[in-house]
Amino acid sequence: EIVMTQSPATLSVSPGERATLSCRASQSVSSNLAWYQHKPGQAPRLLIYGATRATGLPARFSGSGSGAEFTLTISSLQSEDFAVYYCQQYNKWPRTFGQGTKVEIK
Amino acid sequence: EVQLVESGGGLVQPGRSLRLSCAVSGLTFDNYGMHWVRQVPGKGLEWVSGISWNSFNIDYADSVKGRFTISRDNAKNFLYLQMNSLRPNDTGLYYCAKALGPNLYTGYFDQWGQGTLVTVSS
Repeated sequence: EIVMTQSPATLSVSPGERATLSCRASQSVSSNLAWYQHKPGQAPRLLIYGATRATGLPARFSGSGSGAEFTLTISSLQSEDFAVYYCQQYNKWPRTFGQGTKVEIK
Repeated sequence: EVQLVESGGGLVQPGRSLRLSCAVSGLTFDNYGMHWVRQVPGKGLEWVSGISWNSFNIDYADSVKGRFTISRDNAKNFLYLQMNSLRPNDTGLYYCAKALGPNLYTGYFDQWGQGTLVTVSS
């Protein structure tokens, strides 16, 4: 199965700053990569699939990359953005996820 | 508004069984494949099982194959996961998640529930 590796495990950022999260696949997944946001006690939320933002997602979120290297960028962190972010490949089965990056307040 | 609400989790001894349910509302349930994904403590998310809209196609992660059974009731808008021979490493938060379309092997998961906690311990 495809192993997804996220870095860093924890990212400390001040509100208003830029956050850059990385996701690497053990083999090419083409552009078939999704990002989710997860807050404690809530349902995971789909943010981005491929290069497309999910409906209603603010423009400060953007995804880039293809093949085996991907990046999620949050251009100016808002208080509601502090959460755990997961990447997931949907190029092959079984679907696999990264271990997550926790974005915390600096 | 689409809602997925899991239930049925709890504390169970190793080797015993548990049945999870997911009630789905706000969409035409039998238009979509459905999945179970779990979050194991200290680890990330792990896909567990999936089922197509008509139950014709079903798949499982190797870690649960032969022990877990996924099913759905399209008349009641429910998804189920029967978990037998539970092990301590099955402990986790179990989410139901909706596929993009009716088939099993499609894309990512665009709607999730809030999860139900399963703890396997003696």
